[in-house]
Amino acid sequence: DQQVKQNSPSLSVQEGRISILNCDYTNSMFDYFLWYKKYPAEGPTFLISISSIKDKNEDGRFTVFLNKSAKHLSLHIVPSQPGDSAVYFCAASAMRTGTASKLTFGTGTRLQVTL
Amino acid sequence: DGGITQSPKYLFRKEGQNVTLSCEQNLNHDAMYWYRQDPGQGLRLIYYSQIVNDFQKGDIAEGYSVSREKKESFPLTVTSAQKNPTAFYLCASRRGLVAFFGQGTRLTVV
Repeated sequence: DQQVKQNSPSLSVQEGRISILNCDYTNSMFDYFLWYKKYPAEGPTFLISISSIKDKNEDGRFTVFLNKSAKHLSLHIVPSQPGDSAVYFCAASAMRTGTASKLTFGTGTRLQVTL
Repeated sequence: DGGITQSPKYLFRKEGQNVTLSCEQNLNHDAMYWYRQDPGQGLRLIYYSQIVNDFQKGDIAEGYSVSREKKESFPLTVTSAQKNPTAFYLCASRRGLVAFFGQGTRLTVV
């Protein structure tokens, strides 16, 4: 049972344009969400996060939007740069429950930023 | 430098042999994790530990074992019972809300 889903395995965007990566979740207990970026043969690096008490969080070129009613979040990258080409993972945790330490990941979206 | 160290980066083992992957952190984090990455399947949780001498099974614990005798160390043993051990293994630690990852170990069983 995939509780965190990233339905687009890949995305290609032109340099300078906006990249939008989507993530859906099914567990209504999830209340904290994170985005990670991963290059091949390396560990993921943390990008940005959002708590369920917010609907938007911004950090430089990266903005995460959360729609709790739709159980959907998205990561916007503006403007996209060639160095953003990587696999992006969405992750979720349920901070209110006893399983707060368990972090569940999606399957990832490979972003390619073209010149 | 503070961080999470996984060793070795590449590991080859014969089928039927147990193998232990090392994970050490000097970030003073309480929680540590092991994930496995396979193509098209994202990161799947094998085991996690919230404190020393305590750990819980993740979603795919069968064929794996762990120990947490020290805060800094969370080794993962891939046993011969694991049917498809060839994968990229990632260790992470967490204090607060964000997990930080090591560079991974690619295990190939031949």
